[in-house]
Amino acid sequence: DAKTTQPPSMDCAEGRAANLPCNHSTISGNEYVYWYRQIHSQGPQYIIHGLKNNETNEMASLIITEDRKSSTLILPHATLRDTAVYYCLKGGYNFNKFYFGSGTKLNVKP
Amino acid sequence: GAVVSQHPSRVICKSGTSVKIECRSLDFQATTMFWYRQFPKQSLMLMATSNEGSKATYEQGVEKDKFLINHASLTLSTLTVTSAHPEDSSFYICSAGGGVTGELFFGEGSRLTVL
Repeated sequence: DAKTTQPPSMDCAEGRAANLPCNHSTISGNEYVYWYRQIHSQGPQYIIHGLKNNETNEMASLIITEDRKSSTLILPHATLRDTAVYYCLKGGYNFNKFYFGSGTKLNVKP
Repeated sequence: GAVVSQHPSRVICKSGTSVKIECRSLDFQATTMFWYRQFPKQSLMLMATSNEGSKATYEQGVEKDKFLINHASLTLSTLTVTSAHPEDSSFYICSAGGGVTGELFFGEGSRLTVL
């Protein structure tokens, strides 16, 4: 089962929106898209997830394309503390195990 | 969100000894937990699925006799690295389901250094 594909790194200016893309062309109909981030030497932190509709919470927005083969995580006003590795994952509902890809290293710069 | 806690956060041991790492779900019950390991500058690699009251399921290439997993209660899973060697030095992370809509939550991780 193929993992998702993400660019290895991205830069973003502090205060600007960070848009992180993810390709999940092998996603099946009952699989959700999940986003996590990992700050150095910590466990991954849950950000957001969705099935087919766009989602928004206090941390971020998730935009999923109509064909569900890709998505974008949006951090509306990036801060220095948002510097982390962001992982896009796909999985079934109810705590399926995740296989991690390489993720995107987001560098937020002053 | 739900809280998953690991202990110890750091451990240093001598080669040949065994080390136990605990993973607890603090505010929910978890029939399934997952164990990952992460080497420096690499992504997380799934090692095994820990099932409460039954045997763990190991990913291909992971030695089950090397990495013993016990999930004796709905809030605790343990990973024991037996006869540890320097190549077992890594960051070990557990996760468990606790969200109302299926998301997994991860522990803080345990850094093992084998001398």
